[in-house]
Order: sequence, then structure tokens, then C-alpha cells
Amino acid sequence: QKEVEQDPGPLSVPEGAIVSLNCTYSNSAFQYFMWYRQYSRKGPELLMYTYSSGNKEDGRFTAQVDKSSKYISLFIRDSQPSDSATYLCAMGRGGSEKLVFGKGMKLTVNP
Amino acid sequence: NAGVTQTPKFQVLKTGQSMTLQCAQDMNHNSMYWYRQDPGMGLRLIYYSASEGTTDKGEVPNGYNVSRLNKREFSLRLESAAPSQTSVYFCASSEGSGQETQYFGPGTRLLVL
Repeated sequence: QKEVEQDPGPLSVPEGAIVSLNCTYSNSAFQYFMWYRQYSRKGPELLMYTYSSGNKEDGRFTAQVDKSSKYISLFIRDSQPSDSATYLCAMGRGGSEKLVFGKGMKLTVNP
Repeated sequence: NAGVTQTPKFQVLKTGQSMTLQCAQDMNHNSMYWYRQDPGMGLRLIYYSASEGTTDKGEVPNGYNVSRLNKREFSLRLESAAPSQTSVYFCASSEGSGQETQYFGPGTRLLVL
């Protein structure tokens, strides 16, 4: 079983839709969770950071972590064409600098 | 602040040639990383440097060497390039305290013929 699983998609939605992106993981030692956004031919950029369980909201973006189910989600409200990108989840253990990444989900928001 | 910079942006090599990918960060970060990204495989860690003077293997180190030249710079060397090393290479850095985010460079696209 891979440490981090992410459906690679692709996912195509109309503008204004609510988007839900998810990752599951197997290692209960993961303590901090991130979502990166990667535009085509660019490097990944940090979108959301969450430590331990709970929700975090930033504008149209909400990150959720459910450690009991080993499941994290990223919700995008009122999606825009500018949200079209690949979204990667990433997780880290306490005391380790290394992150484990999901394979990324390609999202297209159609005008 | 430029953040993380990488050179070159794009390179074509013939099988057996060597080259060095350069990376520099201006955020005074302790830790630096080299990843490769391939379709369907996601980001895979090649090597990392937790602090100046140390380097460690990641998930896919074979065929690569690294040098942490100083706190700012971390280079990746391909001694004898193979077509399987065709990929997009990303350098990243982080503060190094163990729970912080990584910041990525713009990437180097490498084609090995």
C-alpha cells in the first residue's frame, strides 16, 4: 500500500462549481498536511497548510484533515478558470523535513 | 527576494553526456531538495540536504550525485545521462525545523536522447 494515494483525475467542472479533491494515507505518523497548486510548466506553490486534524479556510479554499480516517480534502468554492491546475497533496512526519507527495490531480474549470 | 532559482530552464543531452543542474535559494533556508517529476509518477525525491555539509539519498538516487556547495546552493549532477533520466527536475528548500513547508523553483526540463 502506497503511503499517500491521490486520484490523478483528470477532473473537469464548470465555472462556479464546488470542487472536492482528496487524498488518503496509510502512515499514522503524518502530522502536517499541505496542498500545493501547480500550473502548467511551473513549480508547485503552497496553497494550504494544516497541522494535525481540523479545518482551515482561506478565501474560497478549505482544507480538511481527518486523522481518524487518514483522509484529507481540499474544497474549492465558486471555482474559476484560473483554478485550472494540478493539485498535489503532501504530508510530513514530525521531526522530519521530508514530505511525501500524492501524484497530483489535474483540474480544469471551464468558463 | 527571488526565492528558489534553477538553471538551466531547458536542456537537451545525448546519452552518456554529463551535466550539472544548479539551484540557489535566498531565504536563508537550512534544507534543500532535488525532485524529479514524471507523468503518472508524481514528485519523487532524488537527494536532499538537511543542512549545510550533509546530503542524503531519497527515493530515486541512482544515476545522480549532489553537492551542497554552501547554505544557498545545491547542485545535482548527472555523470552519464540516460534516456530514463528525461524528466522535469525541481529544486526546493525549507527552513529545516521539521514541520515547515517546502518552496519550489521553476524547474529544469531535461531531454536525454
